[in-house]
Amino acid sequence: DIQMTQSPSSLSASVGDRVTITCRPSQGISNYLAWYQQRPGKVPKLLIYAASTLHSGVPSRFSGSGSGTDFTLTISSLQPEDVATYYCQKYNSAPFTFGPGTKVDIK
Amino acid sequence: QVQLVQSGSELKKPGASVKVSCKASGYTFTTYAMNWVRQAPGQGLEWMGWINTNTGNPTYAQGFTGRFVFSLDTSVSTAYLQISSLKAEDTAVYYCARLAPEEYFDYWGQGTLVTVSS
Repeated sequence: DIQMTQSPSSLSASVGDRVTITCRPSQGISNYLAWYQQRPGKVPKLLIYAASTLHSGVPSRFSGSGSGTDFTLTISSLQPEDVATYYCQKYNSAPFTFGPGTKVDIK
Repeated sequence: QVQLVQSGSELKKPGASVKVSCKASGYTFTTYAMNWVRQAPGQGLEWMGWINTNTGNPTYAQGFTGRFVFSLDTSVSTAYLQISSLKAEDTAVYYCARLAPEEYFDYWGQGTLVTVSS
């Protein structure tokens, strides 16, 4: 099975900072990658699918890029409501494995 | 609007069974498969498997065979997760999540906390 890694595991940044999270599958998955946001104590929410397509209602400060084995989630200007754990997920085929998560908080 | 509403928290003793429900509304239930995801306390998201809501055919991820059963009642647009022979390590929040046609998870239930403790 394909393993998913994310880096960093956590980060702390100031409001307005640009934040970048990386996700690396152990094998190529084309663009079959989704990103989810889980705020503390809340339900995961879909942010991005097909590596770079923003889900309906997601603020434009979020963006995704990449293909194959190297993907990035970027928050262009970090806001207080972005404090959350972010998970990538592969969906090219089952198992639909999630990455271990990246915890983002405000400095 | 699409909604997935799960049953409430459960407290069970080791060895008991639990059945979690996930009632869908706002779309045709049999058009989209349903996934189950586990999140142990303080841990990440773990895909448990999915069920084809058209055929009822389940697929279980590694580590979720034997004691875990996915089922449906399409007459009430509801998916179920049953866990038998509960262990303390089954303590977790269990989410249902709809599988979009492109196979990411577009809608999630609110989660059901299952606590296993003597």
